[in-house]
Amino acid sequence: GENVEQHPSTLSVQEGDSAVIKCTYSDSASNYFPWYKQELGKRPQLIIDIRSNVGEKKDQRIAVTLNKTAKHFSLHITETQPEDSAVYFCAAPGRTSYGKLTFGQGTILTVHP
Amino acid sequence: GAVVSQHPSWVICKSGTSVKIECRSLDFQATTMFWYRQFPKQSLMLMATSNEGSKATYEQGVEKDKFLINHASLTLSTLTVTSAHPEDSSFYICSARDRTGDGEQYFGPGTRLTVT
Repeated sequence: GENVEQHPSTLSVQEGDSAVIKCTYSDSASNYFPWYKQELGKRPQLIIDIRSNVGEKKDQRIAVTLNKTAKHFSLHITETQPEDSAVYFCAAPGRTSYGKLTFGQGTILTVHP
Repeated sequence: GAVVSQHPSWVICKSGTSVKIECRSLDFQATTMFWYRQFPKQSLMLMATSNEGSKATYEQGVEKDKFLINHASLTLSTLTVTSAHPEDSSFYICSARDRTGDGEQYFGPGTRLTVT
């Protein structure tokens, strides 16, 4: 099955700085790469996703880049704000027909005011 | 749009009893729903994939006779934890995949299960 590695496990930045979280995946058949944000005790929220036919996608302060050759994708958050503090998870489906996702280990992002 | 509800939000039960958790897609049809388990400060671990009208597919190491899954309609899946033990205490989250979308998964709010 798919194997997803996520780094770093924790990330601490100052408000206004940029944050980058990277994930690598093992199955070249993966074609959909979502990022989720989870606040303590709450559900994961889809914040951005990218499909394998594009290399980059941006939504305001959030962007995701994909390198299919190297099998890695990254989340970029610019101009970070304290409310960006949360756990972020990446995921990839592998070669499944039902859209099953394998999640990375998660990154605890802390934005200091 | 794309709202998934889960009930109950939390439950406390005694060891040896069974607990049923419901997952509903409120404004879309979901042929596939997924059940995850999440321990504190850990990632989401997929337990099983639930397909409407067919048997669930369980991940390796998950006991199908202990975690009963029923996906009776395009908007409802249930997870029953049978003969619960304290080690089953966890945060259980479902997600639903929109059958008409491009495969995005939307998560329910989760159920905090505590077995005493």
